[in-house]
Amino acid sequence: EDQVTQSPEALRLQEGESSSLNCSYTVSGLRGLFWYRQDPGKGPEFLFTLYSAGEEKEKERLKATLTKKESFLHITAPKPEDSATYLCAVRGYSSASKIIFGSGTRLSIRP
Amino acid sequence: NAGVTQTPKFRVLKTGQSMTLLCAQDMNHEYMYWYRQDPGMGLRLIHYSVGEGTTAKGEVPDGYNVSRLKKQNFLLGLESAAPSQTSVYFCASSYGQLSNYGYTFGSGTRLTVV
Repeated sequence: EDQVTQSPEALRLQEGESSSLNCSYTVSGLRGLFWYRQDPGKGPEFLFTLYSAGEEKEKERLKATLTKKESFLHITAPKPEDSATYLCAVRGYSSASKIIFGSGTRLSIRP
Repeated sequence: NAGVTQTPKFRVLKTGQSMTLLCAQDMNHEYMYWYRQDPGMGLRLIHYSVGEGTTAKGEVPDGYNVSRLKKQNFLLGLESAAPSQTSVYFCASSYGQLSNYGYTFGSGTRLTVV
């Protein structure tokens, strides 16, 4: 069964303090790993799709990387507006029509 | 540029009442999904549809029914609401199975069953 585990559950950083969020996954043949951002009271917003180990994607202060067992979302010199919950999700060959979400990491950036 | 629109945004139901949540998308997406989000449990798939006239069960389908009579609309029904169905419900859509852009989500419906 496809499974996604995110850590830590919550992370508080000072503005400018870089860090990484982890997404460990178990899937029967990865067809895509997704990162989303969710602000309070809103739906998730798509950030990245990664398909194969070694792949990297960047957007502003965020960089997502992928290995065969996990993905990292690196946040460089974060700002308070980066505060949000970050969700990881995977699509495997056994669940090609749908993706499975992790429970997310709640990120808070203090000014 | 509406994307995915969910109605209503908030609703309070009494145990045993019924209601329908409406999801509409204007992106001509084939695939549509209903998720519920509970604290500490992440997003869990209730039902999904791979095209007009089709529906399929997800991870937690019990107590819910869906219909996709038109490509742009996906309805989620609760026939007899229970307190365990208190949650935030999200609708999402995608162009295809291997969409590079993942899902587009609506802003959610916060449902409380008392």
